[in-house]
Amino acid sequence: SYELTQPPSVSVSPGQTASITCSGNKLGDKYTSWYQQKPGQSPVLVIYRDSKRPSGIPERFSGTNSGNTATLTISGTQTIDEADYYCQAWDSNTGVFGTGTKVTVL
Amino acid sequence: EVQLLESGGGLVQPGGSLRLSCAASGFTFTKNAMNWVRQAPGKGLEWVSSVSASGGITFYADSVKGRFTISRDNSKNTLYLQMNSLRAEDTATYYCAKEAAAGTIGPDFYGMDVWGQGTTVTV
Repeated sequence: SYELTQPPSVSVSPGQTASITCSGNKLGDKYTSWYQQKPGQSPVLVIYRDSKRPSGIPERFSGTNSGNTATLTISGTQTIDEADYYCQAWDSNTGVFGTGTKVTVL
Repeated sequence: EVQLLESGGGLVQPGGSLRLSCAASGFTFTKNAMNWVRQAPGKGLEWVSSVSASGGITFYADSVKGRFTISRDNSKNTLYLQMNSLRAEDTATYYCAKEAAAGTIGPDFYGMDVWGQGTTVTV
């Protein structure tokens, strides 16, 4: 079965840039979405179709996808960005979520 | 306001059954595919199943195939997940989520842009 691998954790200082990777076989040939989930809350879509932001998502969130890796970048990270982040793609009519990355802002 | 409200979760014995419901409001339910996603306690998100806008196309994770059935009643704006032969590993919070773009499902997806608050299933 298809797997998407993310680093378990990423630490970033306020105002700096956080990059979260999502790795999967030929992931660049598929569309990737990213979700933010804060403790006790439902996930929120922050990036779709690799690099597009839904309305209401701050410009500091951006995404790329090429080769075997998709990347979510948070520029000028704020303390409110501290959360778990999950990538998602489809493979052979099966949805797949990444393993998740905890972003700590300190 | 676009809203999804899940119900039907609870405590069930292994081998038992439950039916989850997800009531949708604030958007044209008949235009969008819908999804079920679950999250075991302290774990990550796991895609469970998706159904097309018409209900005619369904997809399942291997972990639930043959045991769970997704369906929708477009006249009632409601999504369902019938769960049979439940196992301890099915214990999770179950979320329903709306496909962002009308008419899309599967690899051509635009992401899940609206999520419910979740309903808890304990096996």
